[in-house]
Amino acid sequence: LAKTTQPISMDSYEGQEVNITCSHNNIATNDYITWYQQFPSQGPRFIIQGYKTKVTNEVASLFIPADRKSSTLSLPRVSLSDTAVYYCLVGDSNSGAGSYQLTFGKGTKLSVIP
Amino acid sequence: NAGVMQNPRHLVRRRGQEARLRCSPMKGHSHVYWYRQLPEEGLKFMVYLQKENIIDESGMPKERFSAEFPKEGPSILRIQQVVRGDSAAYFCASSPPPGTSYEQYFGPGTRLTVT
Repeated sequence: LAKTTQPISMDSYEGQEVNITCSHNNIATNDYITWYQQFPSQGPRFIIQGYKTKVTNEVASLFIPADRKSSTLSLPRVSLSDTAVYYCLVGDSNSGAGSYQLTFGKGTKLSVIP
Repeated sequence: NAGVMQNPRHLVRRRGQEARLRCSPMKGHSHVYWYRQLPEEGLKFMVYLQKENIIDESGMPKERFSAEFPKEGPSILRIQQVVRGDSAAYFCASSPPPGTSYEQYFGPGTRLTVT
């Protein structure tokens, strides 16, 4: 699985847009980019997944440039409840056994300030 | 539709005792995964199971740890003769049969403390 690098922590004020960038220089052709969110004392929660260009859902947007060596998770107008650790994962979801063995780094600890 | 259930949520064991962690996957999910998380660390994959089958246990310590997912009932992660270093949060996740999504659904975790 490709290695990912993301900032250890970020601070943001309520109402601002937050962009968290993840580097994955060794991403393979079949790899997807997936982001998870984890609140304290809870299991991670899937946020968004993409392969290229832009993906948007009700929670976030994911921007992936043409070379796919990085990706940016964008959270619009964050609130205090968005304070969490955000993990960027890269891997092949089309392996023969399906999706398994997610590899989590240390993630980015986002703190939203009132 | 209930989410992934794990119990107990908190477990305290003395060194040398056995710990049993249970996981009930989401309804309709036949794939179960176990992860371990140390404080201030990301989750580390331990084992991937389907009903009555261990698919990948490459992340499991070779000794004292075992996992099963029987035909009936929850998946069990068993740690024998626990040591202080086993203290961690253990998360179970489940997913539907193989597809194009990388999404796994995680339970709330079991926090194991070894005294």
